[in-house]
Amino acid sequence: AQSVTQLGSHVSVSEGALVLLRCNYSSSVPPYLFWYVQYPNQGLQLLLKYTSAATLVKGINDFEAEFKKSETSFHLTKPSAHMSDAAEYFCAVRKSGNTPLVFGKGTRLSVIA
Amino acid sequence: KAGVTQTPRYLIKTRGQQVTLSCSPISGHRSVSWYQQTPGQGLQFLFEYFSETQRNKGNFPGRFSGRQFSNSRSEMNVSTLELGDSALYLCASSTGTSGPTDTQYFGPGTRLTVL
Repeated sequence: AQSVTQLGSHVSVSEGALVLLRCNYSSSVPPYLFWYVQYPNQGLQLLLKYTSAATLVKGINDFEAEFKKSETSFHLTKPSAHMSDAAEYFCAVRKSGNTPLVFGKGTRLSVIA
Repeated sequence: KAGVTQTPRYLIKTRGQQVTLSCSPISGHRSVSWYQQTPGQGLQFLFEYFSETQRNKGNFPGRFSGRQFSNSRSEMNVSTLELGDSALYLCASSTGTSGPTDTQYFGPGTRLTVL
């Protein structure tokens, strides 16, 4: 069965600092991986997705993630945090075909001025 | 293009009642998935409908049901509400036809509170 582990339920960074949110997956087949962001009282917005075309994936708002098969990881990074990045971030995996997304528990990002 | 809409946004019910939530997908999308989000269990998949047929189902009791209409709009129903059903219910739409990288677009959710 597929699963996703997000290390750290809460991450706090200073404005302008590097953002690193960790995601490790477990899948018996090559996975398809996604990062979503959720702002308070809103639904989920897709940040980026890994489709096996390239291991470094660029998303919206300067976020990017690197797929590392040897480490079974898909960590999300952003060079410089903005106050507006404060939100909950979810990593998700999908096995194949039209199967459901399986989400991690989420990481709440706080940005300190 | 209009996004995914969910109605109502907020709902308060009492134990034992039933509730119906509605989701209108993005125009042209034929797949609608439902997820339950709670602080304790996180995001859990309920079911997916594609072209009026349930294609996938999560591990929820039979009190949770859904359907999809010919215009792709979907409803989910929860009967005999329990306190533990209090959650944010999210609907996601996608084309449903392009495989594992098919992007799911989420609505704002319906916040259900059971008293």
